[in-house]
Amino acid sequence: AQSVAQPEDQVNVAEGNPLTVKCTYSVSGNPYLFWYVQYPNRGLQFLLKYITGDNLVKGSYGFEAEFNKSQTSFHLKKPSALVSDSALYFCAVRDKGSSYKLIFGSGTRLLVRP
Amino acid sequence: DGGITQSPKYLFRKEGQNVTLSCEQNLNHDAMYWYRQDPGQGLRLIYYSQIVNDFQKGDIAEGYSVSREKKESFPLTVTSAQKNPTAFYLCASSIGDITYEQYFGPGTRLTVT
Repeated sequence: AQSVAQPEDQVNVAEGNPLTVKCTYSVSGNPYLFWYVQYPNRGLQFLLKYITGDNLVKGSYGFEAEFNKSQTSFHLKKPSALVSDSALYFCAVRDKGSSYKLIFGSGTRLLVRP
Repeated sequence: DGGITQSPKYLFRKEGQNVTLSCEQNLNHDAMYWYRQDPGQGLRLIYYSQIVNDFQKGDIAEGYSVSREKKESFPLTVTSAQKNPTAFYLCASSIGDITYEQYFGPGTRLTVT
């Protein structure tokens, strides 16, 4: 079965430190992978995606993600965290059965302390 | 929130009543989606529409219905058949399939008592 896992419910990091939010996937073949962010009581915003090409993908707000096929991972990273990065982050993978369906992870809450 | 409006922001209904959630977009997008968000479960797809006058069931369509009579509008009706309707509902749109960025509305929080 296709799935995506975010193993950490919450990640805590100090402002200015690097951050990593983990995501692993289980999909046959080549995956299409995405990261979205949700601020409190709002809809999601697109951060970045991996479809093909370079394994390191750069996205909005200074975020980047590294696709690692051997480890089936797509971790989200940022070199220097900001307090304003505190939000709920979702990893998602395309459902192989439909080009219009995403399978979302359960989300990871990022808390950046001043 | 990128040209998608959802109304109302909060909605309260009694059990047994149908309720319709509004979603309008002015982005000229062909595809529109409805998701349900519950704490700790991520987003689950209810229905999606690739183009006007067409829609398909998502993973949790039971107890919900939709229509797509206009490109700009994709209303969701939560019927009395939905066993656990209390949730946060998100509408989204995109130019095409999921390889394109989805733009989300601000959401409607539905409480049924």
